[in-house]
Amino acid sequence: DVVMTQSPLSLPVTLGQPASISCRSTQGLVYSDGNTYLNWFQQRPGQSPRRLIYKVSNRDSGVPDRFSGSGSGTDFTLKISRVEAEDVGVYYCMQGTHWPWTFGQGTKVEIK
Amino acid sequence: QVQLVESGGGLVEPGGSLRLSCVASGFSISDSYMSWIRQAPGRGLEWISYISGSSSDTNYADPVKGRFTISRDNAKKSVYLQMNSLRADDTAVYYCARGTRAAAPWGQGTLVTVSS
Repeated sequence: DVVMTQSPLSLPVTLGQPASISCRSTQGLVYSDGNTYLNWFQQRPGQSPRRLIYKVSNRDSGVPDRFSGSGSGTDFTLKISRVEAEDVGVYYCMQGTHWPWTFGQGTKVEIK
Repeated sequence: QVQLVESGGGLVEPGGSLRLSCVASGFSISDSYMSWIRQAPGRGLEWISYISGSSSDTNYADPVKGRFTISRDNAKKSVYLQMNSLRADDTAVYYCARGTRAAAPWGQGTLVTVSS
């Protein structure tokens, strides 16, 4: 299985400051159709996961533009330009290229 | 809007069975792949199965292969997960989701507890 490794696992951030989460995969994530199925999910406390970013850098409808995704190959990043209180939660990267689809361990974002 | 509602979770003894249901609204389920994902305490998120709109394409993760069966009834806008030979390590919140490789949205989940 493809292993997804996130860092850091805990990310205390000051309100209004930027945050960055790294995600590395053990195999390249380009599928035969040319797409890279690397997605980011946010799980707020007590809620189900919500997709923020799909195929590396495409922001879902309703997701604030302070969230951005980038990367290629085996190395990907989720950035929050200015953290707000509502961003507290756990963030997961997930690959949908090689079955079984797999998730990173999660990065817990909290406010300092 | 697109909504998914799971049901059918509960407490079951090891070796028992449960059938989870997911009812969809707000989109054409017959055009959509659907997936089941679970989240166990201390074990993160695990994608366990998906099914195509016509049911012709299904797949299972190794831990559930041979024990779980995914199915759907497009007329009822529903997807199911039949879980047999349940084990303690199947204890988790089970989510259904629209799509597969980049599935969204997810439902609110239903808790399955396997314990004697």
